[in-house]
Amino acid sequence: KNEVEQSPQNLTAQEGEFITINCSYSVGISALHWLQQHPGGGIVSLFMLSSGKKKHGRLIATINIQEKHSSLHITASHPRDSAVYICAVVRGADGLTFGKGTHLIIQP
Amino acid sequence: KAGVTQTPRYLIKTRGQQVTLSCSPISGHRSVSWYQQTPGQGLQFLFEYFSETQRNKGNFPGRFSGRQFSNSRSEMNVSTLELGDSALYLCASSLGQAGNQPQHFGDGTRLSIL
Repeated sequence: KNEVEQSPQNLTAQEGEFITINCSYSVGISALHWLQQHPGGGIVSLFMLSSGKKKHGRLIATINIQEKHSSLHITASHPRDSAVYICAVVRGADGLTFGKGTHLIIQP
Repeated sequence: KAGVTQTPRYLIKTRGQQVTLSCSPISGHRSVSWYQQTPGQGLQFLFEYFSETQRNKGNFPGRFSGRQFSNSRSEMNVSTLELGDSALYLCASSLGQAGNQPQHFGDGTRLSIL
C-alpha cells in the first residue's frame, strides 16, 4: 500500500463545475504539498499546508491532520485547469513522498 | 527573478555510459532537491542538498550521486546507465529545508537510454 493515496485517478468534468481531489496518507507528517503538472512536464507548487485551509484564487486546499486527509478544490473550473494534480507529504526531515497524481480534464 | 534552470533539456545515452545533469536554483535559494519521474513509479525523491551538504537521500542505488557547489548550483550524476534510468529528472529549489518550504521546480531533463 502506498503511503500517499490520491482519488480519483482520472476525472473529466465540464467547464464551470466544482472539482474535488482527495489525498490520504498513512503516516504522521510535518507538511503536505499540492503540485500541478502540465503536459510537457513543468511542475508548479500550488500549496504547502501543515494545518487548516489555504486559498489562492479559485483553488482551495484543506488538511485534516487527525484524519490524515487533504483535499484540493477548484471552483468554477476552466479548461486551462486541465493538468495532473499531485499530492506529496513530508515526514520530519525526510524528502517528499508523492501520490500517483490525479489526471484532470475540463471540457469546454 | 530567473527561475530554476536545468540543463540539458534532453539527453540520449546508451547503457553503461554515465551522465551529469545540472541545476541552477533561484538566486538566494540554498536547498536543491532532485526527483525522478517515470510512468510506472511516478515521482520519487532522489536527494536534497543544502549549503553543499547532502541532507537527505531517497531509496536509489549508489550509481545515483550528486553534489552542490558554493553558489548553490547542483549536479546529479548517474553512472553505468541502465534502461530503467530513462526518466524525467526534475530539480527544485527552496529557501530552506525542502519539505517545509514551497518548492520551485525546473522544467526537467528528459533522459533516454538506448
